[in-house]
Order: sequence, then structure tokens, then C-alpha cells
Amino acid sequence: QTVVTQEPSLTVSPGGTVTLTCASSTGAVTSGYYPNWFQQKPGQAPRALIYTTSNKHSWTPARFSGSLLGGKAALTLSGVQPEDEADYYCLLYYGGGHLWVFGGGTKVTVL
Amino acid sequence: EVQLVESGGGLVQPGGSLRLSCAASGFTFRTYSMHWVRQAAGKGLVWVSHINSDGSSTSYVDSVKGRFTISRDNAKNTLYLQMNSLRVEDTAVYYCARGVNPYYYGMDVWGQGTTVTVSS
Repeated sequence: QTVVTQEPSLTVSPGGTVTLTCASSTGAVTSGYYPNWFQQKPGQAPRALIYTTSNKHSWTPARFSGSLLGGKAALTLSGVQPEDEADYYCLLYYGGGHLWVFGGGTKVTVL
Repeated sequence: EVQLVESGGGLVQPGGSLRLSCAASGFTFRTYSMHWVRQAAGKGLVWVSHINSDGSSTSYVDSVKGRFTISRDNAKNTLYLQMNSLRVEDTAVYYCARGVNPYYYGMDVWGQGTTVTVSS
């Protein structure tokens, strides 16, 4: 069973920078896993932020960026705003089985 | 405006069936693949199923294989999820999401979700 692992929680100060990571139990995450990142606030549906590692949707704020870092997918929030407090989920594509797997999510607290 | 609206959720007994619908508008539905994703209360997101743009190819998470069937009607701009042999652990909010083209690129637009409760 494939497991995608994220940090359970992270805390950042307003205006600061925080990096979330996304690891696969199958080995290093590469661009071929087409990493996606989503933001979810309490009581709301998820909102897409990043697709295919680093591409932003038209609505994605510039302070969000995606990359590959040390064999993991990464989401960096720069100049964090209070409204960035939310749960963040990564999604990886496993082409061999034609399936997708979400990470367990990271709760980001802005304090 | 691109919009996805789920419906069909409700309370069902274990072993029962339910069909969810996702009505799409604001885009050319027949050219996009679609996903179902669920989330149990207080838990994380779980990818459930995918269907390609013309309905000829589908995939499922292991926990629902043989019980759930994804389908679509491109003439009605609607996505479906037929859920049979429901279990208590299927209780969740079910979201539909539009696939990014090409299909393996992920998801972009999400609906607001419909709640499924499996309980006796």
C-alpha cells in the first residue's frame, strides 16, 4: 500500500516563510508524480494551488510556490498572511496503477 | 463561471446503495476527465475514483473496487458515483473535482461536496 507522508503540523509567524514537504513510500518524488498541492480551510472545499510540481493556477497567490526538494515535493509559503492558516494536502500520481494518493495533510498555524 | 454541484448524499444503512451526481457548468464537460474524492469528518482527503473524458477508462482506490462505479453522461454534463454495499467506513463528504488536462496533471476545480452517512 502506497503512503504519502506530510508533516502533521507547522507554525509560522506572519510575514515569515514555511516549507511543507511531501514524501512517497515508493522512493524519491520526481516530476513524473505530477505533484499537486491543495489548501483547505475549515468548513470549505479544498482549493487547488499548484499542479505538476510548480505550476500555479490562475487564482493562486504569488506567495505560494512549488518545487522538488531532497527527493520530496515541496510547497513554500513566503510572506505568510493570517489567511494562509489552513490544512494543506499534496497529491501524487502513480502512473503504473493509474491512481492518485493524497498525503495526510499539514496543518499550518500562523502565530 | 466554472461550477461543480454535487447531490445525492444522505443517510443509508450498511449494505445499502446510493448514487451521487455532480452537475458541471461553465466549461466543455466532455473534454475533461473527472475525479471523486472523499473526506471523513476530521480526517484527510482520500482519492476515490477517476474517469477519462469519454468514459472509456476508469480507476478506483482499492477500498472501493467492486463496490463503487464511476460514470458520466456528457450529454447531460453530469458525473456519477454509484455506491453499492456501503460500509460504515464509507461515511464522508464526497467531492467531485475536474481533472487538469492532460488527465495525469491533477485536479483544479472542486465542488462543495455532498455528505454520505452510512449507519444503522
